[in-house]
Amino acid sequence: RKEVEQDPGPFNVPEGATVAFNCTYSNSASQSFFWYRQDCRKEPKLLMSVYSSGNEDGRFTAQLNRASQYISLLIRDSKLSDSATYLCVVNPPGTYKYIFGTGTRLKVLA
Amino acid sequence: NAGVTQTPKFQVLKTGQSMTLQCAQDMNHEYMSWYRQDPGMGLRLIHYSVGAGITDQGEVPNGYNVSRSTTEDFPLRLLSAAPSQTSVYFCASRVTGDYGYTFGSGTRLTIV
Repeated sequence: RKEVEQDPGPFNVPEGATVAFNCTYSNSASQSFFWYRQDCRKEPKLLMSVYSSGNEDGRFTAQLNRASQYISLLIRDSKLSDSATYLCVVNPPGTYKYIFGTGTRLKVLA
Repeated sequence: NAGVTQTPKFQVLKTGQSMTLQCAQDMNHEYMSWYRQDPGMGLRLIHYSVGAGITDQGEVPNGYNVSRSTTEDFPLRLLSAAPSQTSVYFCASRVTGDYGYTFGSGTRLTIV
């Protein structure tokens, strides 16, 4: 099993829709979790950290489910500008390494 | 405040040549990492550093060397370039603790 797994998509959604991505991780003791956004041919950019109690930043909500070992990202009222690849990141225990998922591609359609 | 600066942005090398990818950050971040990104493979960790003088291997270290003589700089050396090292290379840095990385804009490297 991969350390971090994501559905590659693409998720094609109309503007204004709500869309959610999940990311599963293999090490139950993992500590830190993040969501990044990457536009085509650009560097990844930090979207938000994922906290145990869940957290929200505008239209974006991140949640952590430790029992089932996944994190999720919910995007409400999708905009054309949300079209990108979304990468989840996990920090396994006892290591300084950050492990990236392969990303989920989102296309928001007009 | 320039963030993380990578040079060059593009490079074509011949098989067997060596080169150094430069990475510098001006945010006084302790942690720095090098990743490569290939289609369908995602970002894979090559080497990382938790401070000046301290480096360690990531998932795919073979064929690469790093050093960290200062907090600011973390160069990546390709010892003898191979076509399998054709990739996009990203350098990233962060502070200590549960914080995300800030990435440079990447180096697109082609080995012919």
